[in-house]
Amino acid sequence: DAGVIQSPRHEVTEMGQEVTLRCKPISGHDYLFWYRQTMMRGLELLIYFNNNVPIDDSGMPEDRFSAKMPNASFSTLKIQPSEPRDSAVYFCASRRAGGLSSYNEQFFGPGTRLTVL
Amino acid sequence: TQLLEQSPQFLSIQEGENLTVYCNSSSVFSSLQWYRQEPGEGPVLLVTVVTGGEVKKLKRLTFQFGDARKDSSLHITAAQPGDTGLYLCAGGQGSNYKLTFGKGTLLTVNP
Repeated sequence: DAGVIQSPRHEVTEMGQEVTLRCKPISGHDYLFWYRQTMMRGLELLIYFNNNVPIDDSGMPEDRFSAKMPNASFSTLKIQPSEPRDSAVYFCASRRAGGLSSYNEQFFGPGTRLTVL
Repeated sequence: TQLLEQSPQFLSIQEGENLTVYCNSSSVFSSLQWYRQEPGEGPVLLVTVVTGGEVKKLKRLTFQFGDARKDSSLHITAAQPGDTGLYLCAGGQGSNYKLTFGKGTLLTVNP
């Protein structure tokens, strides 16, 4: 299996521009998570999906952020308009359902490093 | 808000030394996971502990879950340069699929 795939790996944009990050989870995984990592705040959960349905978006910082999962093999995280404080590494992770829910391993992608100038 | 505090934040040691890093919370977790993250990559799971007092060993790494399931430690014996990375702990709560991550300990093992 190729693992979780994210694109682009690096994105540099100017303040006010729209940014779209993409994720392909591991085939057969029912859960998909979007995280943001910064030095100051560490790894923060933004939103997660189960069977393509958003379950908890309480970590989404504000209305400028939106996420979709149109099918089991693709998800996007969009920032519109982007701001310099959005600069961070964004990770997508996926995992299987079943078993004791919090025990199952989350598999992370390599991340997208976003820089907003 | 459940918080996981990791200490130390940074640790730089020589090859062959032993070390312990800590993960503490005021909240009880049903499970505690440790991940290692290398530069330019996502975190990779090392271990999951679920029972208070549980100890798990992974080669030179020893993980312990506190009796009250509020804290955990990771001990590395005879550290090697390949152990260099960011060590993250993450707490899970029962049927909730969310994980709460600590900010991590950045370990550097110098040859």
